[in-house]
Amino acid sequence: DTEVTQTPKHLVMGMTNKKSLKCEQHMGHRAMYWYKQKAKKPPELMFVYSYEKLSINESVPSRFSPECPNSSLLNLHLHALQPEDSALYLCASSQDRRAPLHFGNGTRLTVT
Amino acid sequence: DAKTTQPNSMESNEEEPVHLPCNHSTISGTDYIHWYRQLPSQGPEYVIHGLTSNVNNRMASLAIAEDRKSSTLILHRATLRDAAVYYCILTKTSGTYKYIFGTGTRLKVLA
Repeated sequence: DTEVTQTPKHLVMGMTNKKSLKCEQHMGHRAMYWYKQKAKKPPELMFVYSYEKLSINESVPSRFSPECPNSSLLNLHLHALQPEDSALYLCASSQDRRAPLHFGNGTRLTVT
Repeated sequence: DAKTTQPNSMESNEEEPVHLPCNHSTISGTDYIHWYRQLPSQGPEYVIHGLTSNVNNRMASLAIAEDRKSSTLILHRATLRDAAVYYCILTKTSGTYKYIFGTGTRLKVLA
């Protein structure tokens, strides 16, 4: 079990669908992250929220839209995705920039 | 962003120590060295981190070279459960929160 909970665990969506990934942590962490991981590759940073404000967007296409409604929740809204967006999407949180990251176990997304 | 270089894969026998190297020749004075590992079908898991001095915890030890251009993660007695991909990451202590993963080392533990 991890302290960062991601739902759903698996998601299959068509290219015209709109869906959302959810991430939740109750450790009081003030930084939250989205990473994308393709098979046999390292995680790639997508977005960073610090104190509920978007602080880093690693040039991610606009079909991915992050949202941080409060300090415990992080969402990733998906719209008009492509098959190449199929991947494991990982959420993480940390207390501050020097503290370790705590990862969830990810949402495995398949775009058909 | 400073980069890290790790061997693609390593093998170890069970119950023996494992030394996983990481080169980070462009590290700056305020960069912390973090290690994570990722077991199959799981998110990455924090292992250890340090700045200048060697560090020990219940999972592993971290040996940092005097010039900080390299570090070594030491697993004192490898078990089959330690088979994973190990990532060495540099993180800044100023500016934005940014953890960039390198390619990692896939550790295989032989029974």
